[in-house]
Amino acid sequence: TQLLEQSPQFLSIQEGENLTVYCNSSSVFSSLQWYRQEPGEGPVLLVTVVTGGEVKKLKRLTFQFGDARKDSSLHITAAQPGDTGLYLCARRNSGGSNYKLTFGKGTLLTVNP
Amino acid sequence: DSGVTQTPKHLITATGQRVTLRCSPRSGDLSVYWYQQSLDQGLQFLIQYYNGEERAKGNILERFSAQQFPDLHSELNLSSLELGDSALYFCASSVAVGGQGNEQFFGPGTRLTVL
Repeated sequence: TQLLEQSPQFLSIQEGENLTVYCNSSSVFSSLQWYRQEPGEGPVLLVTVVTGGEVKKLKRLTFQFGDARKDSSLHITAAQPGDTGLYLCARRNSGGSNYKLTFGKGTLLTVNP
Repeated sequence: DSGVTQTPKHLITATGQRVTLRCSPRSGDLSVYWYQQSLDQGLQFLIQYYNGEERAKGNILERFSAQQFPDLHSELNLSSLELGDSALYFCASSVAVGGQGNEQFFGPGTRLTVL
């Protein structure tokens, strides 16, 4: 089983602070996705990273894919209460028509006003 | 709103019972996926259908089964329910079956409580 380890498991910060969450694996990813899940809703895709060393920005969110494509990070600048949610990383199983996603257990972020 | 609908939103039942969860994919999406989310296991893939045919299986118990109908909606059947089956069940849909740009859109989920 190719596990995805996410850290930290829980994170509680004040509005305006910066934070970084991590997603690591012992295996190489063909691609990695980050999702945010808010209470009572399903996960929503934020970004897909494919190339080693790739950096993508989405407003105050910066996603980085490790050079060896075994790890990824999500950095949030000046966090806001609306950023509160469960952040999940996921890898797509490669090969054939198998498109299942394997998720990490997530980082539960709480941004306090 | 992802465009994926799931019913019911909440379901409370007893051990040993059988329930059916329903999912309607986004208009135009041919592929449907079912996932289970629990506190200890996280979000886990159960099964995938594409245009009515099963395409991939994950950690789905033999007591669970699914199908996709000609109108592309899908149902997940859970039988002989146990306390440990209590979880959130998500359906997701995508346009096709694979490919780098094949984003999955998740529904709001069904919260199943087995008492």
